[in-house]
Amino acid sequence: DAMVIQNPRYQVTQFGKPVTLSCSQTLNHNVMYWYQQKSSQAPKLLFHYYDKDFNNEADTPDNFQSRRPNTSFCFLDIRSPGLGDAAMYLCATSRRLGSRSNQPQHFGDGTRLSIL
Amino acid sequence: AQSVSQHNHHVILSEAASLELGCNYSYGGTVNLFWYVQYPGQHLQLLLKYFSGDPLVKGIKGFEAEFIKSKFSFNLRKPSVQWSDTAEYFCAVNNNAGNMLTFGGGTRLMVKP
Repeated sequence: DAMVIQNPRYQVTQFGKPVTLSCSQTLNHNVMYWYQQKSSQAPKLLFHYYDKDFNNEADTPDNFQSRRPNTSFCFLDIRSPGLGDAAMYLCATSRRLGSRSNQPQHFGDGTRLSIL
Repeated sequence: AQSVSQHNHHVILSEAASLELGCNYSYGGTVNLFWYVQYPGQHLQLLLKYFSGDPLVKGIKGFEAEFIKSKFSFNLRKPSVQWSDTAEYFCAVNNNAGNMLTFGGGTRLMVKP
């Protein structure tokens, strides 16, 4: 059974046209992450939510935003996609127990974003 | 800042050959170590993890990894690979202070039948 679900699997958008990718989880994990993975590269963390606290990585472009309306859902908004934003976008979740962050992350299947 | 290096970008083996994929990290404090596998067209899946205790950890599908603290290494091994092990393998590290998971560049393994 899928536990981290990303929709859609494939998304095509036009250059500069806003796009939203969605992620939902059935694990009740308190941490949700968004990664960008370009071809033949490692996943790169964009930001994460620890409960409702949003944590942006220093080098994440302002073009990328995120929303987490509740525990189960998290959205990635790309306000004005450029050609360089074409990539696989991965959502992951983990359970953080107090100050320890040693729980593994569970990944969704990803959304492959293409820019025309 | 922590970083992770995987020195082998592409590995080609025949079935039944032994596998060892290198992973080195740079971080002076306590770390948690992971190996993830990504089969073609599928999501990242956890193979194994090390938090503490026995430095030799066993994961799924016959994989194991050994944490050698003095060498800052966490190499992945399998005694006898199968064609179905063809995938990309990522080593990842986080520290206990935060949630950030740093991935290595990945190693693409192809097993010839």
